[in-house]
Amino acid sequence: EADIYQTPRYLVIGTGKKITLECSQTMGHDKMYWYQQDPGMELHLIHYSYGVNSTEKGDLSSESTVSRIRTEHFPLTLESARPSHTSQYLCASRQGTTNEKLFFGSGTQLSVL
Amino acid sequence: RKEVEQDPGPFNVPEGATVAFNCTYSNSASQSFFWYRQDCRKEPKLLMSVYSSGNEDGRFTAQLNRASQYISLLIRDSKLSDSATYLCVVNIGGYSSASKIIFGSGTRLSIRP
Repeated sequence: EADIYQTPRYLVIGTGKKITLECSQTMGHDKMYWYQQDPGMELHLIHYSYGVNSTEKGDLSSESTVSRIRTEHFPLTLESARPSHTSQYLCASRQGTTNEKLFFGSGTQLSVL
Repeated sequence: RKEVEQDPGPFNVPEGATVAFNCTYSNSASQSFFWYRQDCRKEPKLLMSVYSSGNEDGRFTAQLNRASQYISLLIRDSKLSDSATYLCVVNIGGYSSASKIIFGSGTRLSIRP
């Protein structure tokens, strides 16, 4: 079983609110990722990190921001939520070597009203 | 052109049938390959890694053809529980710290009784 946790599991919030989606892993993995996925659609990489103080934007433009102050923690923040941000957000991590598999958290289903 | 391409399906096959999926990737420097399974509204989970020599895990067989840059997954004696979306995953960029995990859009499989 993967030791990677996301909270909250579900979040319903009003437009304009600031939100932070939490992601933590206890495996000591260097690399962490945030994906966005709409129902029945493909995963889109929105942010990734190779280690502490390292963050990069992914292939899909996102208004969210991330930080990596500690190895185990990779939170995602939306300063002002909008209905277009409604989606599932999946956090993942893996060890640094090439052949290591990706472990996923259970995801956060965000609904912005 | 997408970096990782899959036939979206859906594949609708009877229980007990053999079904095969293909996936192509564009970056010849890609180093590692995986098949993930994703159930509806769940996170992706690793099904199997794909090795150059091909590998088998029970009813599942994965093959890699580097010359043609495609990966395949074969499922024999399919079960109702095999119904899911199968994601082809490629590690782009090899061993450098710039490597990224790229997901295909997924192939939907539905097994009917």
